[in-house]
Amino acid sequence: GAGVSQSPSNKVTEKGKDVELRCDPISGHTALYWYRQSLGQGLEFLIYFQGNSAPDKSGLPSDRFSAERTGGSVSTLTIQRTQQEDSAVYLCASSNTGNLGAFFGQGTRLTVV
Amino acid sequence: GENVEQHPSTLSVQEGDSAVIKCTYSDSASNYFPWYKQELGKGPQLIIDIRSNVGEKKDQRIAVTLNKTAKHFSLHITETQPEDSAVYFCAANTGFQKLVFGTGTRLLVSP
Repeated sequence: GAGVSQSPSNKVTEKGKDVELRCDPISGHTALYWYRQSLGQGLEFLIYFQGNSAPDKSGLPSDRFSAERTGGSVSTLTIQRTQQEDSAVYLCASSNTGNLGAFFGQGTRLTVV
Repeated sequence: GENVEQHPSTLSVQEGDSAVIKCTYSDSASNYFPWYKQELGKGPQLIIDIRSNVGEKKDQRIAVTLNKTAKHFSLHITETQPEDSAVYFCAANTGFQKLVFGTGTRLLVSP
């Protein structure tokens, strides 16, 4: 597709379960970001991948959160032992080395019950 | 690291008025400043950006200005319309392309 694709669009999970959120960036984009947005709040940085460099994980809120980017393309954000405070919209964005503008997906709305 | 401050947090204007949102940044090496518009239930959308080699850029009713000396940049929307109502985020790059976002401005345009 032409844009950043995220799946699922909505996810309801029980407290304590693990979840995986997927991001398909725009083809050829070397940079990929994950952000979290709670209802009515701003963008909370989670993790940043750039090419083959070590990812910037400085925004991950706890060791229950991890992310991978395989083959420099698709990324998966994993949240283990989910808690109610993890409920939020998780946004992915990608950008091209030559053009610094980042393009966002529609997000995954995660609800932990 | 880079810190981006944005204000106001909320802005209410009448249709047809102008709206201005301001951001400041801390990293003097930042050279790219995009603005995003987020409508309810959607991801942020890039609406305009400016690079450090220019001081102003316009696109129809929106414009951005940049003052590198003072480390601040602003979004100007003229002749506002109800459909401009949204949350707007500024951002600045730092390090190797990483973007740091402001906290957002909720703009409400009343008919």
